[in-house]
Amino acid sequence: GIQVEQSPPDLILQEGANSTLRCNFSDSVNNLQWFHQNPWGQLINLFYIPSGTKQNGRLSATTVATERYSLLYISSSQTTDSGVYFCAPNAGNMLTFGGGTRLMVKP
Amino acid sequence: GAGVSQSPSNKVTEKGKDVELRCDPISGHTALYWYRQSLGQGLEFLIYFQGNSAPDKSGLPSDRFSAERTGGSVSTLTIQRTQQEDSAVYLCASSLNGGSLNYGYTFGSGTRLTVV
Repeated sequence: GIQVEQSPPDLILQEGANSTLRCNFSDSVNNLQWFHQNPWGQLINLFYIPSGTKQNGRLSATTVATERYSLLYISSSQTTDSGVYFCAPNAGNMLTFGGGTRLMVKP
Repeated sequence: GAGVSQSPSNKVTEKGKDVELRCDPISGHTALYWYRQSLGQGLEFLIYFQGNSAPDKSGLPSDRFSAERTGGSVSTLTIQRTQQEDSAVYLCASSLNGGSLNYGYTFGSGTRLTVV
């Protein structure tokens, strides 16, 4: 099956800082989603982005499918951005999740 | 409903007992997925239902695990003779069309299962 690697595994930011999270995957995909899992465990869909670039407020994502990677940008980070960010590409019937990037934003 | 509903939210069971976990997907969503998340880990795929097609059971970890989806809506995940390693959060998701290029997953809040 498809292999998904996310980096960095852990990230600590000061409030207001910017960051880039990376997701590499091993096969061609027809779908890719980014999720945020908040400290209470709820998974929130951030982006559906099989290719190209999308922006939503302080967050944006870019997927370069031909080079098998996706990036999630967080600008002007806030404490509420803390949690785990998962990349999940789809090469078959289901999404395959990476190990996540655990983000802590300090006030 | 407005979102994916899972019940119970928490379940503590004794080793060897059977448990049933329920998922009520978003109305009209034809695809339904079960995932498992162990403490501090990523999500592990368990099973996928799409409409009336035969489910993809390739992620079920053992024959103690089974799932059904009645009437193309509510799904039940059953774990027989529970073991301590079954302790995890069991997450359900639904989407408008499995594998579609246009629709993403919506997850429920999960069931936290603890086997003691």
